[in-house]
Amino acid sequence: LAKTTQPISMDSYEGQEVNITCSHNNIATNDYITWYQQFPSQGPRFIIQGYKTKVTNEVASLFIPADRKSSTLSLPRVSLSDTAVYYCLVGDLPMDSSYKLIFGSGTRLLVRP
Amino acid sequence: DGGITQSPKYLFRKEGQNVTLSCEQNLNHDAMYWYRQDPGQGLRLIYYSQIVNDFQKGDIAEGYSVSREKKESFPLTVTSAQKNPTAFYLCASSSPGDWYNEQFFGPGTRLTVL
Repeated sequence: LAKTTQPISMDSYEGQEVNITCSHNNIATNDYITWYQQFPSQGPRFIIQGYKTKVTNEVASLFIPADRKSSTLSLPRVSLSDTAVYYCLVGDLPMDSSYKLIFGSGTRLLVRP
Repeated sequence: DGGITQSPKYLFRKEGQNVTLSCEQNLNHDAMYWYRQDPGQGLRLIYYSQIVNDFQKGDIAEGYSVSREKKESFPLTVTSAQKNPTAFYLCASSSPGDWYNEQFFGPGTRLTVL
């Protein structure tokens, strides 16, 4: 499974757009990129997943360049409630018995008023 | 409502005692997982099960045991052999074959060994 590298922490202000970049230089052809959000003392929650180019849902956008060696999670107009840890994961889809997710240390986002 | 439940939310045990953490899901998911999270750290996989009566060790299985006798249930036992069991334990489930790598997590159990 490809290893990911993210910034340890980021600060932002309410209403701003936040971009969190994840590096995954050894991503394999079959790997997808998935982002999770975790609030203190809660389980992580799936945010978005993509393979290439751009994916957008009601919560975030995910930008993946052509070489797929990095990806950027974009949170539009953050609010205080977006303060959380964000994890970038890379792996194949859960098609076989060896499937598992590898969580790194994540990026701790602090949104200030 | 479908979801994953873990009980209890907080658990205190004396050193040397075994303790079992409960995890139940009604999502009809085949796969279930146990993770451990230490303060300021990411999640580490303890055990996972892709199907009933089958499970595999994760990255930190030593000192833990599991069973998967029913599709809905995946209890984790923290044994006295686990050297540092105080942590936040998270259970998750997923449906292999789904398009997204989405694991659904329970609310967690915070275990403190005194």
